[in-house]
Amino acid sequence: QKEVEQDPGPLSVPEGAIVSLNCTYSNSAFQYFMWYRQYSRKGPELLMYTYSSGNKEDGRFTAQVDKSSKYISLFIRDSQPSDSATYLCAMKEKSGTASKLTFGTGTRLQVTL
Amino acid sequence: NAGVTQTPKFRVLKTGQSMTLLCAQDMNHEYMYWYRQDPGMGLRLIHYSVGEGTTAKGEVPDGYNVSRLKKQNFLLGLESAAPSQTSVYFCASRTGPQGYTFGSGTRLTVV
Repeated sequence: QKEVEQDPGPLSVPEGAIVSLNCTYSNSAFQYFMWYRQYSRKGPELLMYTYSSGNKEDGRFTAQVDKSSKYISLFIRDSQPSDSATYLCAMKEKSGTASKLTFGTGTRLQVTL
Repeated sequence: NAGVTQTPKFRVLKTGQSMTLLCAQDMNHEYMYWYRQDPGMGLRLIHYSVGEGTTAKGEVPDGYNVSRLKKQNFLLGLESAAPSQTSVYFCASRTGPQGYTFGSGTRLTVV
């Protein structure tokens, strides 16, 4: 079993829809949680960053972390065609200077007109 | 401000050939990483460096070597390429607990 599980999709939604992307994990030592967006043939770019449990909002994006369930979510409101990309969740433990990230496999999102 | 620059962007190698991938960052970041990305496998850490002159193994280090002689550069070497090393390679750097910056990737095919 992988440490981080993520549905690969593809997920297709109409423009304006609310999108919910999710990851589950098994390592209870994970403290930092991130969402990256990766456009085709590009490198991942950081979208949201959350420490421990709770919610964080940035514009149309909301990240939620439920450590008791080992479950994280990314919500996208009023989705746009420009949101079409692969979304990667990533996590890391608090300890260690290198703070290595563990990634999910990514969910491909397609927002249609 | 270029961020993280990877060269080359594409390469085709024959089995057994060697090559070096170069990662350069202009943000004065201490930590640098090499990942490979494969379908269904996500991003997996190959090697990383916590500062100039230091390197360490990641999750999938076999068949790769790295060097960090200068703070701004992190080199990934393949001594004898194998078809299993066909992948997209990403370099990343960071300072602080967040803010990983990724390069745009190197697409490597080993035939």
